[in-house]
Amino acid sequence: EAQVTQNPRYLITVTGKKLTVTCSQNMNHEYMSWYRQDPGLGLRQIYYSMNVEVTDKGDVPEGYKVSRKEKRNFPLILESPSPNQTSLYFCASWSGQGSDGYTFGSGTRLTVV
Amino acid sequence: GEDVEQSLFLSVREGDSSVINCTYTDSSSTYLYWYKQEPGAGLQLLTYIFSNMDMKQDQRLTVLLNKKDKHLSLRIADTQTGDSAIYFCAESIPGTYKYIFGTGTRLKVLA
Repeated sequence: EAQVTQNPRYLITVTGKKLTVTCSQNMNHEYMSWYRQDPGLGLRQIYYSMNVEVTDKGDVPEGYKVSRKEKRNFPLILESPSPNQTSLYFCASWSGQGSDGYTFGSGTRLTVV
Repeated sequence: GEDVEQSLFLSVREGDSSVINCTYTDSSSTYLYWYKQEPGAGLQLLTYIFSNMDMKQDQRLTVLLNKKDKHLSLRIADTQTGDSAIYFCAESIPGTYKYIFGTGTRLKVLA
Protein backbone atom coordinates (compact mmCIF):
# COMPACT_ATOMS: atom_id res chain seq x y z
CA GLU A 1 0.00 0.00 0.00
CA ALA A 2 1.32 3.44 -0.97
CA GLN A 3 1.77 5.42 2.20
CA VAL A 4 3.68 7.91 4.31
CA THR A 5 4.56 6.54 7.75
CA GLN A 6 5.32 8.76 10.70
CA ASN A 7 6.48 7.74 14.15
CA PRO A 8 5.61 8.18 16.89
CA ARG A 9 1.89 9.07 16.73
CA TYR A 10 1.96 10.70 20.14
CA LEU A 11 4.88 12.17 22.07
CA ILE A 12 5.12 14.04 25.35
CA THR A 13 8.52 15.48 26.19
CA VAL A 14 10.16 18.07 28.38
CA THR A 15 11.61 21.39 27.34
CA GLY A 16 15.13 21.08 25.95
CA LYS A 17 15.21 17.32 25.40
CA LYS A 18 16.20 16.58 21.81
CA LEU A 19 13.76 14.51 19.80
CA THR A 20 13.33 13.13 16.30
CA VAL A 21 10.11 12.37 14.46
CA THR A 22 10.67 9.87 11.69
CA CYS A 23 8.99 9.89 8.29
CA SER A 24 9.21 7.33 5.54
CA GLN A 25 7.46 7.00 2.16
CA ASN A 26 7.30 3.97 -0.14
CA MET A 27 6.23 5.73 -3.35
CA ASN A 28 9.68 6.76 -4.60
CA HIS A 29 8.60 10.41 -4.39
CA GLU A 30 11.27 13.06 -4.82
CA TYR A 31 9.51 15.77 -2.86
CA MET A 32 8.85 15.61 0.86
CA SER A 33 7.65 18.19 3.33
CA TRP A 34 6.89 18.77 7.00
CA TYR A 35 3.90 20.78 8.19
CA ARG A 36 2.55 21.75 11.55
CA GLN A 37 -1.16 22.20 12.19
CA ASP A 38 -2.41 24.61 14.83
CA PRO A 39 -6.02 25.62 15.54
CA GLY A 40 -7.11 28.59 13.48
CA LEU A 41 -3.84 28.66 11.55
CA GLY A 42 -4.27 25.73 9.19
CA LEU A 43 -1.14 23.97 8.00
CA ARG A 44 2.15 25.79 7.87
CA GLN A 45 5.19 24.42 6.11
CA ILE A 46 8.31 23.89 8.24
CA TYR A 47 10.81 22.44 5.76
CA TYR A 48 10.72 20.73 2.42
CA SER A 49 13.06 18.63 0.32
CA MET A 50 13.31 18.36 -3.44
CA ASN A 51 15.66 15.39 -3.48
CA VAL A 52 18.36 13.61 -1.52
CA GLU A 53 20.60 16.13 0.27
CA VAL A 54 18.46 19.05 -1.01
CA THR A 55 16.33 20.78 1.61
CA ASP A 56 14.95 24.27 2.10
CA LYS A 57 13.10 26.29 4.70
CA GLY A 58 9.37 26.70 4.68
CA ASP A 59 7.39 29.38 6.48
CA VAL A 60 8.15 28.39 10.09
CA PRO A 61 11.59 26.71 10.22
CA GLU A 62 12.86 28.18 13.48
CA GLY A 63 13.68 25.52 16.07
CA TYR A 64 13.60 22.64 13.57
CA LYS A 65 16.12 20.71 11.51
CA VAL A 66 15.68 18.12 8.80
CA SER A 67 17.87 15.77 6.81
CA ARG A 68 17.39 13.81 3.60
CA LYS A 69 20.13 11.21 3.36
CA GLU A 70 17.91 8.71 1.57
CA LYS A 71 15.03 9.30 -0.82
CA ARG A 72 12.45 7.56 1.35
CA ASN A 73 13.26 9.11 4.74
CA PHE A 74 12.83 12.68 5.93
CA PRO A 75 13.19 12.98 9.72
CA LEU A 76 12.24 16.12 11.63
CA ILE A 77 14.60 17.03 14.46
CA LEU A 78 13.87 19.33 17.38
CA GLU A 79 17.24 20.01 19.01
CA SER A 80 15.83 21.86 22.02
CA PRO A 81 12.03 21.68 22.05
CA SER A 82 10.03 24.46 23.65
CA PRO A 83 6.33 24.61 24.65
CA ASN A 84 5.46 26.72 21.58
CA GLN A 85 6.37 23.71 19.46
CA THR A 86 3.44 21.79 20.94
CA SER A 87 1.46 20.99 17.81
CA LEU A 88 0.24 18.35 15.38
CA TYR A 89 2.92 17.54 12.81
CA PHE A 90 2.43 16.04 9.37
CA CYS A 91 4.93 14.63 6.95
CA ALA A 92 3.94 14.53 3.29
CA SER A 93 5.41 13.39 0.01
CA TRP A 94 4.68 14.29 -3.62
CA SER A 95 5.47 12.82 -7.01
CA GLY A 96 5.91 16.22 -8.63
CA GLN A 97 2.81 15.78 -10.80
CA GLY A 98 0.38 18.63 -10.08
CA SER A 99 -2.66 16.37 -10.30
CA ASP A 100 -1.34 14.05 -7.58
CA GLY A 101 -1.12 16.45 -4.70
CA TYR A 102 0.79 15.70 -1.54
CA THR A 103 0.19 12.38 0.26
CA PHE A 104 0.11 12.87 4.03
CA GLY A 105 1.11 10.73 6.96
CA SER A 106 -1.27 10.19 9.88
CA GLY A 107 0.35 12.84 12.03
CA THR A 108 2.39 13.12 15.22
CA ARG A 109 0.87 14.93 18.17
CA LEU A 110 3.71 16.49 20.14
CA THR A 111 3.35 18.02 23.59
CA VAL A 112 6.30 19.87 25.13
CA VAL A 113 5.97 20.58 28.84
CA GLY B 1 1.21 38.00 -0.59
CA GLU B 2 0.22 34.38 -0.30
CA ASP B 3 -2.85 33.75 1.79
CA VAL B 4 -5.75 31.32 1.59
CA GLU B 5 -8.89 32.02 3.60
CA GLN B 6 -11.81 29.85 4.58
CA SER B 7 -14.68 30.16 7.01
CA LEU B 8 -14.09 28.06 10.10
CA PHE B 9 -17.41 26.24 10.52
CA LEU B 10 -20.33 24.96 8.47
CA SER B 11 -23.30 22.96 9.68
CA VAL B 12 -25.78 21.22 7.35
CA ARG B 13 -28.52 18.63 7.62
CA GLU B 14 -28.03 15.15 6.25
CA GLY B 15 -29.18 14.95 2.64
CA ASP B 16 -28.69 18.67 1.98
CA SER B 17 -25.89 20.11 -0.15
CA SER B 18 -22.82 21.63 1.49
CA VAL B 19 -20.84 24.46 -0.06
CA ILE B 20 -17.41 25.24 1.35
CA ASN B 21 -15.74 28.40 0.11
CA CYS B 22 -12.14 29.50 -0.20
CA THR B 23 -10.41 32.63 -1.41
CA TYR B 24 -6.80 32.79 -2.45
CA THR B 25 -4.48 35.59 -3.43
CA ASP B 26 -1.83 34.12 -5.75
CA SER B 27 -3.35 34.43 -9.22
CA SER B 28 -0.51 32.46 -10.78
CA SER B 29 -1.43 29.23 -9.00
CA THR B 30 -1.73 26.36 -11.48
CA TYR B 31 -3.42 23.76 -9.32
CA LEU B 32 -5.91 24.16 -6.51
CA TYR B 33 -6.84 21.32 -4.20
CA TRP B 34 -9.41 20.20 -1.69
CA TYR B 35 -8.31 17.95 1.15
CA LYS B 36 -10.40 16.20 3.80
CA GLN B 37 -9.19 15.54 7.33
CA GLU B 38 -11.15 13.11 9.46
CA PRO B 39 -10.63 13.04 13.25
CA GLY B 40 -7.26 11.63 14.22
CA ALA B 41 -6.15 11.22 10.63
CA GLY B 42 -3.94 12.94 8.10
CA LEU B 43 -5.16 14.92 5.12
CA GLN B 44 -6.61 13.01 2.21
CA LEU B 45 -6.72 14.52 -1.27
CA LEU B 46 -10.35 14.75 -2.38
CA THR B 47 -10.03 16.49 -5.70
CA TYR B 48 -8.12 19.15 -7.59
CA ILE B 49 -8.79 21.63 -10.36
CA PHE B 50 -6.38 23.00 -12.90
CA SER B 51 -6.33 26.75 -13.24
CA ASN B 52 -7.65 26.78 -16.83
CA MET B 53 -10.86 25.03 -15.75
CA ASP B 54 -14.01 26.63 -14.37
CA MET B 55 -15.65 23.54 -13.01
CA LYS B 56 -14.87 19.95 -12.22
CA GLN B 57 -17.33 17.28 -11.13
CA ASP B 58 -16.44 14.01 -9.47
CA GLN B 59 -19.43 11.97 -8.25
CA ARG B 60 -20.95 13.98 -5.34
CA LEU B 61 -18.23 16.62 -5.47
CA THR B 62 -18.32 19.74 -7.64
CA VAL B 63 -15.47 22.22 -7.66
CA LEU B 64 -16.02 25.72 -9.01
CA LEU B 65 -13.18 28.10 -9.77
CA ASN B 66 -13.61 31.82 -10.36
CA LYS B 67 -10.17 33.10 -11.29
CA LYS B 68 -11.29 36.69 -11.62
CA ASP B 69 -12.41 36.79 -7.99
CA LYS B 70 -9.79 34.22 -6.84
CA HIS B 71 -12.60 32.14 -5.38
CA LEU B 72 -12.76 28.37 -5.09
CA SER B 73 -15.69 26.35 -3.81
CA LEU B 74 -16.44 22.72 -3.04
CA ARG B 75 -20.01 21.51 -3.24
CA ILE B 76 -20.91 18.17 -1.69
CA ALA B 77 -24.26 16.85 -2.88
CA ASP B 78 -26.47 14.70 -0.63
CA THR B 79 -24.23 15.28 2.37
CA GLN B 80 -23.86 12.29 4.69
CA THR B 81 -22.73 11.99 8.31
CA GLY B 82 -19.52 10.42 7.02
CA ASP B 83 -18.72 13.74 5.36
CA SER B 84 -18.25 15.37 8.75
CA ALA B 85 -14.61 16.44 8.77
CA ILE B 86 -12.31 19.42 8.29
CA TYR B 87 -11.90 20.50 4.67
CA PHE B 88 -8.81 22.37 3.52
CA CYS B 89 -8.28 24.17 0.27
CA ALA B 90 -4.73 24.57 -0.95
CA GLU B 91 -2.97 26.26 -3.83
CA SER B 92 0.32 25.29 -5.43
CA ILE B 93 2.84 28.04 -5.95
CA PRO B 94 4.38 27.84 -9.43
CA GLY B 95 8.12 27.45 -9.59
CA THR B 96 8.25 26.07 -6.06
CA TYR B 97 7.23 22.88 -4.33
CA LYS B 98 5.18 24.84 -1.92
CA TYR B 99 1.49 24.51 -1.16
CA ILE B 100 -0.37 27.17 0.78
CA PHE B 101 -3.18 25.74 2.87
CA GLY B 102 -6.26 27.50 4.15
CA THR B 103 -7.25 27.44 7.79
CA GLY B 104 -9.73 24.63 7.21
CA THR B 105 -13.55 24.51 7.43
CA ARG B 106 -15.07 22.16 9.96
CA LEU B 107 -18.18 20.60 8.43
CA LYS B 108 -20.74 19.15 10.81
CA VAL B 109 -23.54 17.06 9.35
CA LEU B 110 -26.67 16.82 11.47
CA ALA B 111 -28.75 13.66 11.26
